[in-house]
Amino acid sequence: EVQVVESGGGLVQPGGSLRLSCVASGSIFNNYWMTWVRQAPGKGLEYVADVTQDGSEKHYVDSVRGRFTISRDNAKNSVYLQMNSLKAEDTAMYYCARHNWYAFDIWGQGTMLTVSS
Amino acid sequence: QSALTQPPSASGSPGQSVTMSCTGTSSDVGAYNYVSWYQQHPGKAPRLIIYEVTKRPSGVPDRFSGSKSGNTASLTVSGLQAEDEADYYCSSCAGINNVVVFGGGTKLTVL
Repeated sequence: EVQVVESGGGLVQPGGSLRLSCVASGSIFNNYWMTWVRQAPGKGLEYVADVTQDGSEKHYVDSVRGRFTISRDNAKNSVYLQMNSLKAEDTAMYYCARHNWYAFDIWGQGTMLTVSS
Repeated sequence: QSALTQPPSASGSPGQSVTMSCTGTSSDVGAYNYVSWYQQHPGKAPRLIIYEVTKRPSGVPDRFSGSKSGNTASLTVSGLQAEDEADYYCSSCAGINNVVVFGGGTKLTVL
């Protein structure tokens, strides 16, 4: 069974940085794009970023482009989200998911980021 | 990268059918057959229930069905059950830079 586990969330001050990690079990991780999706408290889902199988292409929602960087290490079955210049509006549960032709078919349980002074 | 439009709420009685809409534009829903639907129960991660407009992942009951006409996609839940009470989100490929856009979600209440 393929499982996805996120980590790295926490409390950060505005302007600060944090890196989220996501580890996926199973060899099929390497053949898929991976994505980060976030959900602010009481709000809906928001696509954040994705990365292709080999890490050569990365895509971002406008609100995080230039501040967040997605990357992956296929040898470790891992994907990361480096978040810089954090703002209060980045406060959310961050989910890592497998991106299967624009359908996110396997999700982790999420890791919570709170940006507050 | 505008969000897709979903009605905030929907409801139905057990055994009934309910249909939820998801309206986009000719640049996302209308342009691609990459519409997905997700079910999310409180405090849980989303679950994929429909992909590529009409397809159901393994393990999803056939009570869930999807369709699309023009710029609007729809999710129908037939034979409503208490456990179907949840938030439902649609998403679509938005073309530009291969990003994905979500709808704001519909809260389904089983009366």
